[in-house]
Amino acid sequence: NAGVTQTPKFQVLKTGQSMTLQCAQDMNHNSMYWYRQDPGMGLRLIYYSASEGTTDKGEVPNGYNVSRLNKREFSLRLESAAPSQTSVYFCASSEAGGQGAPDTQYFGPGTRLTVL
Amino acid sequence: AQSVTQPDIHITVSEGASLELRCNYSYGATPYLFWYVQSPGQGLQLLLKYFSGDTLVQGIKGFEAEFKRSQSSFNLRKPSVHWSDAAEYFCAVGYSGTYKYIFGTGTRLKVLA
Repeated sequence: NAGVTQTPKFQVLKTGQSMTLQCAQDMNHNSMYWYRQDPGMGLRLIYYSASEGTTDKGEVPNGYNVSRLNKREFSLRLESAAPSQTSVYFCASSEAGGQGAPDTQYFGPGTRLTVL
Repeated sequence: AQSVTQPDIHITVSEGASLELRCNYSYGATPYLFWYVQSPGQGLQLLLKYFSGDTLVQGIKGFEAEFKRSQSSFNLRKPSVHWSDAAEYFCAVGYSGTYKYIFGTGTRLKVLA
């Protein structure tokens, strides 16, 4: 039982390059989330998927796209990376409660991305 | 707009001393409240959560938190801090129907031996 896994762990990109961050969970959770963490700003939600087949924007979606590939996997794509996207990215999953009540989120180990 | 405030960016305590980390939220509806801990280089781990009922909740690692509706607060406490508690602590608030929550900016705890 691996929980939430993320690949890669580290990545360096040049401005304008693209990449996809992968996330998978083996807890059969319905909801999945992508956050970015920057010093002094806490975690900010980029996109989330309340259930398989749905995705919604969070606080800071500009410059990102997501795909909920199936119930297990939720990927985050940077189409044209910018230095402002240098950050640590976390994926999380949750068995959100009834009527959309938020519940415990389980986090992956993070991806440290540097854009030069 | 919904917001979560953790007014203390850094806190330093001596090992064995008591600890209180503050968290305030802005929205009036009944909140779902969480405290998470992040050790260096790691993801976040849930310490405790409050949905309803008894306003004093117990969590892992000897932590507890108290929900005070009148003060819009959910402060985290520990009676005696251990060196291994040094980490960053995040408060989060969510609301029914949203599937998500908002994180505070975090409080970094340093423990002196």
